Amino acid sequence: DTEVTQTPKHLVMGMTNKKSLKCEQHMGHRAMYWYKQKAKKPPELMFVYSYEKLSINESVPSRFSPECPNSSLLNLHLHALQPEDSALYLCASSQLPGLAGDTQYFGPGTRLTVL
Amino acid sequence: SQQGEEDPQALSIQEGENATMNCSYKTSINNLQWYRQNSGRGLVHLILIRSNEREKHSGRLRVTLDTSKKSSSLLITASRAADTASYFCATGNIYNQGGKLIFGQGTELSVKP
Repeated sequence: DTEVTQTPKHLVMGMTNKKSLKCEQHMGHRAMYWYKQKAKKPPELMFVYSYEKLSINESVPSRFSPECPNSSLLNLHLHALQPEDSALYLCASSQLPGLAGDTQYFGPGTRLTVL
Repeated sequence: SQQGEEDPQALSIQEGENATMNCSYKTSINNLQWYRQNSGRGLVHLILIRSNEREKHSGRLRVTLDTSKKSSSLLITASRAADTASYFCATGNIYNQGGKLIFGQGTELSVKP
């Protein structure tokens, strides 16, 4: 299985809502990533998990809260978001944490709209 | 900015023609990768070239790397309408921890049938 899955595909939420994005991989990868991507821009790294521990937080606002319950699963909890947080949220995984430039495998993304 | 530059930003060609896109980066790298992204979808890894390699082929893809100029190019030969997508280069920086990739700004390729 060489697939990264993400749910939901689309999410619309109000600024007072709490929601979660889910990402799953069964490739035995030990690094997992959350990216945010705006239209016609490259992905921006948000968080990196290495061996289920948060290793990189790119100064992301606390209204985004990542969680890695096990080696296959990555969540992103959302609370009190702003309209400018509307974007495509991508999850990715790679085999070896800490390996500079390891190939990353991306999920299809969750299209988030904040009203 | 840490991010690399790609040019052109947009490229429109006819089916059957070749497409060339370029990427420049700023720091020493372990490798350089190219990814494709269809509209609103996830990125798909295309090819990886290591810092000690100069050229690599995969099917209709040819990648070159010039570390002295800190630049790379991606050539897609005999393009097809299905090649229409955004293409991003990404570098693995030897100073970056955690497997972080630095993405270029992307080239939007349109292949007309």
